[in-house]
Amino acid sequence: DTVMTQSPDSLAVSLGERATIDCKASRSILYSPNNKSYLAWYQQKPGQPPKLLISWASARESGVPDRFSGSGSGTDFTLTITSLQAEDVAVYYCQQYYNTRTFGQGTKVEIK
Amino acid sequence: QVHLQESGPGLVKPSETLSLTCTVSGGSMTSHFWSWIRQPPGMGPEWIGFISHTGNTGYNPSLKSRVSISRDTPKNEFSLKLTSVTAADTAVYYCARDRYGSGSSSPWGQGMLVTVSS
Repeated sequence: DTVMTQSPDSLAVSLGERATIDCKASRSILYSPNNKSYLAWYQQKPGQPPKLLISWASARESGVPDRFSGSGSGTDFTLTITSLQAEDVAVYYCQQYYNTRTFGQGTKVEIK
Repeated sequence: QVHLQESGPGLVKPSETLSLTCTVSGGSMTSHFWSWIRQPPGMGPEWIGFISHTGNTGYNPSLKSRVSISRDTPKNEFSLKLTSVTAADTAVYYCARDRYGSGSSSPWGQGMLVTVSS
């Protein structure tokens, strides 16, 4: 199994400030022939299913605000929320789909 | 716009079989892969498995011996069976459509809480 480890487990950020979440894979999830990392990011609000934000480590889904961005390759990835808004309060998960599929444990984002 | 809805018993006894159905509306099951994912209370999601538009299946190795996923394409439904359940199988169960060519999933159904208890 490829284990996905997120840090931190929770963070509190002031409105309008930047939030950064890291995700580390226990082994590389980069497929060299296409140079793509098989990594997705989801947002989950209470009582709702996870919502896909980003695929392929950095490809934002249609309709997702551009304050959300993904970066990284291989084993180390980052989700950045620039200028945090109140509606961004949620738990965020990374997921790899290179070797079956596994999720990180989640990072809870709150307002400071 | 594709919409998915889970249905089935919300309470299953230990050692019995959990059976859920996902009904797809607003689109056809003749393309894409279709997944089941579960989320124990207070924990992160766990992928269970998928069925493709051609009927191929793939399962989480940790659940493979107890899981089967099938489909009824004319009815636009796919189903999950999980045998020999224990309290550890208590979770919200989601069905989802995989993004084309990717193992990421969107959209998801609203989810259904299944409790394993006598």
